[in-house]
Amino acid sequence: QVQLQESGPGLVKPSQTLSLTCTVSGGSISSGSYYWSWIRQPAGKGLEWIGRIYTSGSTNYNPSLKSRVTVSVDTSKNQFSLKLRSVTAADTAVYYCARLVVPTKFDLWGRGTLVTVSS
Amino acid sequence: QSVLTQPPSVSAAPGQNVTISCSGSSSNIGNNYVSWYQQLPGTAPKLLIYDNNKRPSGIPDRFSGSKSGTSVTLGITGLQTGDEADYYCGTWDSSLSVYWVFGGGTKLTVL
Repeated sequence: QVQLQESGPGLVKPSQTLSLTCTVSGGSISSGSYYWSWIRQPAGKGLEWIGRIYTSGSTNYNPSLKSRVTVSVDTSKNQFSLKLRSVTAADTAVYYCARLVVPTKFDLWGRGTLVTVSS
Repeated sequence: QSVLTQPPSVSAAPGQNVTISCSGSSSNIGNNYVSWYQQLPGTAPKLLIYDNNKRPSGIPDRFSGSKSGTSVTLGITGLQTGDEADYYCGTWDSSLSVYWVFGGGTKLTVL
């Protein structure tokens, strides 16, 4: 059974780069018509989609974050990653990785990882 | 301010039925399939409904989805205390570029 697991630092300093990795286990990241996405949720608030990547490398990003975000994939490691540059306290959130089955369903989610931006 | 509008909260007693609305526009709901997610406290969201009205395996038929124009509705019948959660609608939006949008979420309280 396919599972997703986020990993990365739980604390990032303001103005630095937030880096997270999602490891796909129990199946190949390259199989099927899937987009691999990052979604975040500040404490007590709603879900915000950050971006997605196909295993071909094709990406789409939330326009509000596009200038600061890069999502990449490493098929040899069965992982995809998120980089968010120039972070501020407003970027503090639980970050989820998720699998999107074309066209419109996030059928698999990681447990989420809390990233706090603070000096 | 979310592109998709949901009521912040709804409530009902156990055994009753409830609906949660999600309103959008032609750039999102009007021209795309919608999915719904249930988020129990302290957990990751879970797919509840996809393609407007389809249920993944394992989701009871107490949960249903419907669509009309630029709005969708999630229906829950025979409410149980375990249904108390946040519910989110989501779909693609093409107003600026192609990107995914979630509704602001609705907190369901089972009284």
